[in-house]
Amino acid sequence: EPEVTQTPSHQVTQMGQEVILRCVPISNHLYFYWYRQILGQKVEFLVSFYNNEISEKSEIFDDQFSVERPDGSNFTLKIRSTKLEDSAMYFCASSEEGSGWGYTFGSGTRLTVV
Amino acid sequence: DAKTTQPPSMDCAEGRAANLPCNHSTISGNEYVYWYRQIHSQGPQYIIHGLKNNETNEMASLIITEDRKSSTLILPHATLRDTAVYYCIVRGYFGNEKLTFGTGTRLTIIP
Repeated sequence: EPEVTQTPSHQVTQMGQEVILRCVPISNHLYFYWYRQILGQKVEFLVSFYNNEISEKSEIFDDQFSVERPDGSNFTLKIRSTKLEDSAMYFCASSEEGSGWGYTFGSGTRLTVV
Repeated sequence: DAKTTQPPSMDCAEGRAANLPCNHSTISGNEYVYWYRQIHSQGPQYIIHGLKNNETNEMASLIITEDRKSSTLILPHATLRDTAVYYCIVRGYFGNEKLTFGTGTRLTIIP
């Protein structure tokens, strides 16, 4: 069964450092998303991306965050200057048509900011 | 915020049917009901969705009331691997609309 692949599975970074989280969505999917989950809290939407541009972003997704699809396969989330409160699980997801049933989530990257 | 209300936790004996309720009294005519689950800290997993008719797939059944204000997810023969947090989500069918997760129901399957 096709999977969304995320790397690394766990990243530790110092406060103020830049970090890039990587995702390989399912190959025929057109819509891409990032969500995050702080330990013990809800899964929160960050951003959606379609046709090489951001479709929607949440209040969390401020100027410190950016997304990119640098080639035909990767989808990245960059945090420019990490804060302690950025520590969370970050989930990438993709869907074929944007319909709610078609979402496939990756297994996540656990980001720890120290 | 999430448009759904779910009990925070439920237990179910292994091998029995698990029935997870969800209230969505403000659902609009073009919105679907989706169910996802999250096992431990893994990424959420799609289970099933429906508009107004009952639906069944290899994982579960979804029963939606006639007025569409509530629904029930049924896992017919629960196993220990079904222990997870189950999320009921309401959103439109197409488009880039985000999934808004609530706190869900933590289902524990008891051996």
